[in-house]
Amino acid sequence: SAVISQKPSRDICQRGTSLTIQCQVDSQVTMMFWYRQQPGQSLTLIATANQGSEATYESGFVIDKFPISRPNLTFSTLTVSNMSPEDSSIYLCSVTSGSIPDTQYFGPGTRLTVL
Amino acid sequence: GENVEQHPSTLSVQEGDSAVIKCTYSDSASNYFPWYKQELGKRPQLIIDIRSNVGEKKDQRIAVTLNKTAKHFSLHITETQPEDSAVYFCAASLSNFGNEKLTFGTGTRLTIIP
Repeated sequence: SAVISQKPSRDICQRGTSLTIQCQVDSQVTMMFWYRQQPGQSLTLIATANQGSEATYESGFVIDKFPISRPNLTFSTLTVSNMSPEDSSIYLCSVTSGSIPDTQYFGPGTRLTVL
Repeated sequence: GENVEQHPSTLSVQEGDSAVIKCTYSDSASNYFPWYKQELGKRPQLIIDIRSNVGEKKDQRIAVTLNKTAKHFSLHITETQPEDSAVYFCAASLSNFGNEKLTFGTGTRLTIIP
């Protein structure tokens, strides 16, 4: 499977600021997704990062709050904008590869704490 | 949209015994059902998956069964070991080679008692 890295691994941010999380894959992948995992909870899909076009957001998530970029087939960024303590979560990217299209592998996650 | 329910939320099992976790889904069009294991502070790891054209799949001590009519699927772990202690998530998706987004269950915290 693809090797997925995320930066930063963790961060502590002040209310009202923004943080950009990077997801890098060591090979070209078909699909890239961004999930949120609130403390002690399950994973919730934020959006599908589409290469060369606007991301597809799930209900309850909007582009102004979570802008996403995917400039190529190996890299994506998620920005958490105008943060509040409720944004404190683990943010994970996941990818699918062409060999087994629907199998998703997760990055190590970014643990975000908003004060 | 899809809704996945998972139970139990917590499960304690004596080492060597079996553990069973059950999930139900709402969208009859879903056709791909993976299971993930998440250890504390780690990423979710895919441990087994099943597609709708198969009723059962086994990989060593882990097996998954699928009942499409009843819209439920289960994870079975036999001969449990302390390293099986983790949170397990089931998920469902409509896999049509371009729309593979996963809907996750709420998770089961499995504790293996030595």
